[in-house]
Amino acid sequence: DIQLTQSPSFLSASVGDRVTITCRASQGISSFLAWYQQKPGKAPDLLIYAASTLQYGVPSRFSGSGSGTEFTLTISSLQPEDFATYYCQQFNSYPITFGQGTRLEIK
Amino acid sequence: EVHLVESGGGLVQPGGSLKLSCAASGFTFSDHYMDWVRQAPGKGLEWVGRIRNKANAYTTQYAASVNGRFTVSRDDSKNLLFLQMNNLKTEDTAVYYCTRVHSSTWAGSYFDSWGQGTLLTVSS
Repeated sequence: DIQLTQSPSFLSASVGDRVTITCRASQGISSFLAWYQQKPGKAPDLLIYAASTLQYGVPSRFSGSGSGTEFTLTISSLQPEDFATYYCQQFNSYPITFGQGTRLEIK
Repeated sequence: EVHLVESGGGLVQPGGSLKLSCAASGFTFSDHYMDWVRQAPGKGLEWVGRIRNKANAYTTQYAASVNGRFTVSRDDSKNLLFLQMNNLKTEDTAVYYCTRVHSSTWAGSYFDSWGQGTLLTVSS
């Protein structure tokens, strides 16, 4: 199975900050990676697919990059509604796997 | 607008069975692969299983943790997705989400729509 390791697991930041979350795969997954945002009590929402393609309707302050084994999700200027938990997911091979999540909280 | 609504969750004793349903609307259900993803309380996301579309013979794929106990099925005539869960264990306690797979290609194998989830609790 492909393991995805996100770092950090917890991040405290302020409105307006630029933040980056990293997702490392235990083996190469090309660009078969997606990012999701989940708010408490809600289902996840798709933010980015194919490592760097923004889902329709997602604000442009979100961006993704990477290929192979290392990927990043960047939020250029944090807004109050961005405080949530973020997950990466690989769909290079079965079983589909997720990272353990990064909880982003207000400083 | 894509709409996925799960139902059927509840409290079940270890060793018991339960069947979850997901009603889909707002898109051509029969075209899409559909997956189940679960989330144990306070934990991360775990993929459970997939059912492909008719063009791909409705074949299924499962996580090792549920293989042989869970069965994903669908009724395209009613736009319904199901998850039959047998021999339930306490570690199956989770919110179960129905998800739409974007497309049938590998490059499209991510989840572009999610239901609100239904809670399964396995406890004596």
